[in-house]
Amino acid sequence: DPKIIQKPKYLVAVTGSEKILICEQYLGHNAMYWYRQSAKKPLEFMFSYSYQKLMDNQTASSRFQPQSSKKNHLDLQITALKPDDSATYFCASSQVRDSDYTFGSGTRLLVI
Amino acid sequence: QQQVRQSPQSLTVWEGETAILNCSYENSAFDYFPWYQQFPGEGPALLISILSVSDKKEDGRFTIFFNKREKKLSLHIADSQPGDSATYFCAASLGAQGLTFGLGTRVSVFP
Repeated sequence: DPKIIQKPKYLVAVTGSEKILICEQYLGHNAMYWYRQSAKKPLEFMFSYSYQKLMDNQTASSRFQPQSSKKNHLDLQITALKPDDSATYFCASSQVRDSDYTFGSGTRLLVI
Repeated sequence: QQQVRQSPQSLTVWEGETAILNCSYENSAFDYFPWYQQFPGEGPALLISILSVSDKKEDGRFTIFFNKREKKLSLHIADSQPGDSATYFCAASLGAQGLTFGLGTRVSVFP
């Protein structure tokens, strides 16, 4: 059974629209993260949450907003989508902040 | 400027050989260095990690060698198997900050 569930697996969106990427972890971890993987770029750290509080935000754009409704949930809302936002978005979690991570299988977003 | 660099971009080895993947970093304050393995269509999976206070970490066929003075580390995969064919990412972090990843090394192991 997958320990980190990301939904949807694939997502096609129109430029200017808004989408929410879902992440749920069933590892009992207290810290959760979002990373982005684009073609020809390294995996890029976006956000970290610890006990449902935002700890670190490395995303320059306010179009990316994490949302944590429950301890084991960390969704990512993206507004005013642009083609450059096309990437695979990975959710991850760890027992405590910045100990060893477990990654989900990602949401592949294509903005047309 | 890329904070974490990996070489080579791709590597081909025969089954049973040792694959050597290199990583270097810019920020001398980085203190935690994990290596992740990623198969196509999957998320990265933690393989092995080392703290900057150590110079070697071994886990089965996987060994990290770490040189703090030169800001370099390497991952050795001994007795490579076709199932080891994947992309390997070196990463680094400072304290409680997020991980900084390299671009990865794609390893192909032929039987």
